[in-house]
Amino acid sequence: NAGVMQNPRHLVRRRGQEARLRCSPMKGHSHVYWYRQLPEEGLKFMVYLQKENIIDESGMPKERFSAEFPKEGPSILRIQQVVRGDSAAYFCASSLAGTGAYEQYFGPGTRLTVT
Amino acid sequence: AQKVTQAQTEISVVEKEDVTLDCVYETRDTTYYLFWYKQPPSGELVFLIRRNSFDEQNEISGRYSWNFQKSTSSFNFTITASQVVDSAVYFCALSPLNNAGNMLTFGGGTRLMVKP
Repeated sequence: NAGVMQNPRHLVRRRGQEARLRCSPMKGHSHVYWYRQLPEEGLKFMVYLQKENIIDESGMPKERFSAEFPKEGPSILRIQQVVRGDSAAYFCASSLAGTGAYEQYFGPGTRLTVT
Repeated sequence: AQKVTQAQTEISVVEKEDVTLDCVYETRDTTYYLFWYKQPPSGELVFLIRRNSFDEQNEISGRYSWNFQKSTSSFNFTITASQVVDSAVYFCALSPLNNAGNMLTFGGGTRLMVKP
């Protein structure tokens, strides 16, 4: 019973490049959350998606960041024209449903380094 | 708006000491969930406990125990007889109990160092 998968685990990008982070939820889960952990800080919610829909993106920076969760395939967090301040660990979590009664299961994270 | 505060940024203890990690939260929701996660040096997040706001009973799991006090909006975590393997960053988190998504609000974390 595979857990939440994230790839790549480590990603290095130069300033101005694009970063694509992938998240495959647990089998049967159709709700995905993305969180960002800046160095020495706690995790901050970015975006909540269900299949083919963005439900809440209140934590997402307004520019350069986008997320999708297509009908088929993993959820993608895309960062265009990366800057040094984007260096962080990005965690994805999935749950069976969107109510608080359902636990979120976290992936191992993708550590993005912008040089 | 929701907020979780972990006032202790770093704690250092010697093995076998007991240690309590504090967590205070703010929320306007009447129903919610509280969580603790462990983040070892390897970086992944390890789920430790989830407690709903209806249940104020303390919980014990081996060397771990949690004290939920709704009156003071606190959800403290105690490790008894600490071990070196307990060294990690510990996060307290809060989520609403509603149908609008259960996104978590995390505290800033407490780094626990257990020395042999």
